[in-house]
Amino acid sequence: AQSVTQLGSHVSVSEGALVLLRCNYSSSVPPYLFWYVQYPNQGLQLLLKYTTGATLVKGINGFEAEFKKSETSFHLTKPSAHMSDAAEYFCAVLGNAGGTSYGKLTFGQGTILTVHP
Amino acid sequence: GAGVSQSPSNKVTEKGKDVELRCDPISGHTALYWYRQRLGQGLEFLIYFQGNSAPDKSGLPSDRFSAERTGESVSTLTIQRTQQEDSAVYLCASSLDSRVVEQFFGPGTRLTVL
Repeated sequence: AQSVTQLGSHVSVSEGALVLLRCNYSSSVPPYLFWYVQYPNQGLQLLLKYTTGATLVKGINGFEAEFKKSETSFHLTKPSAHMSDAAEYFCAVLGNAGGTSYGKLTFGQGTILTVHP
Repeated sequence: GAGVSQSPSNKVTEKGKDVELRCDPISGHTALYWYRQRLGQGLEFLIYFQGNSAPDKSGLPSDRFSAERTGESVSTLTIQRTQQEDSAVYLCASSLDSRVVEQFFGPGTRLTVL
């Protein structure tokens, strides 16, 4: 079974500051990991994903995340926050039934990012 | 259509009534998923369809919840005898098939049970 823990339900940064949203996971199989963003009254949008290969993955809007197996982490970062980054961010791990990937995503509780001018 | 659509966007109902929530996936997507997002919580998996069959119903919280999918397209999530704890945003997602990892989400249906 998989689980995801996002440390910090609320993160507040100043515009231009580093954004760091933390995600730790547990998985009995090699994980596929995702970050989604949800703007108010909208559905979830994929920011980036890790499946195999390079452990540093780049996504949209200048975000990136690094898969660290030894730390079971997949933290999301952005060097310089913008006001438009204010949203809720979800980390997720993909289920894997019987060795065949299928799409049951297990989500963390979410982190609300606030950006101050 | 261009994306996943869901209807209605908002639904207010009285306790004990039945509700139906609809999801139209992206055309050609054979895999379809339902999730629930309760206030202050992450998303919970409810059910997954591959084509018209549902190999995984493990997330349905009670027998009041059911879902069906016809024609490898539209899906309906039905909640019978709604309870206040059913209040949540119900999100639908689709992917090209179950082996494709990227899911595309709809805007959700906000259900309020009074």
